[in-house]
Amino acid sequence: GQNIDQPTEMTATEGAIVQINCTYQTSGFNGLFWYQQHAGEAPTFLSYNVLDGLEEKGRFSSFLSRSKGYSYLLLKELQMKDSASYLCAGLSGAGSYQLTFGKGTKLSVIP
Amino acid sequence: EAGVAQSPRYKIIEKRQSVAFWCNPISGHATLYWYQQILGQGPKLLIQFQNNGVVDDSQLPKDRFSAERLKGVDSTLKIQPAKLEDSAVYLCASSLEGLEGEKLFFGSGTQLSVL
Repeated sequence: GQNIDQPTEMTATEGAIVQINCTYQTSGFNGLFWYQQHAGEAPTFLSYNVLDGLEEKGRFSSFLSRSKGYSYLLLKELQMKDSASYLCAGLSGAGSYQLTFGKGTKLSVIP
Repeated sequence: EAGVAQSPRYKIIEKRQSVAFWCNPISGHATLYWYQQILGQGPKLLIQFQNNGVVDDSQLPKDRFSAERLKGVDSTLKIQPAKLEDSAVYLCASSLEGLEGEKLFFGSGTQLSVL
């Protein structure tokens, strides 16, 4: 099984940088996903990390440290449309894989 | 490319009634998932299919929930009888083969309110 922990809420200013942390305790860890979910909508894929290090994709970057059971999502040049919940999800298993989500971090971007 | 289709979008029922949700995954996706998302929480996996076989249903309350995936394509999730605590968004997702690192594509979900 997996235990995923992330902050419940964060607030940041338009144009700023925000880092959303996620810690996990898992058996059979096979990687970590970040999803974005706007209110009333389905989650959409942002990133997937399986190796240690930073993956950059435009304004969004995701970092993973397997030894520390830690990941973060970094959002740069924040825009109002980035206000959403950000879900950290751990992948576990072998052969058949299960994705376990954290409770999500609700990010509010203010002017 | 068409996304994951779900219906209905909203459903309101009284406790002890029955309800069914339908999902059509992305064409060619072998793996289908049903997640339950209670307000303010992350999605919780209920059941995972690989083609028409069940891979994981360990968190499915089998006394009241059932799901099937006929012919390995469409899927139906049923609740009978519903309880107040079943009020949630039911998300269907699919992935190509359920392999390591494959991203899930989610439908818009069915919002269920049990009164």
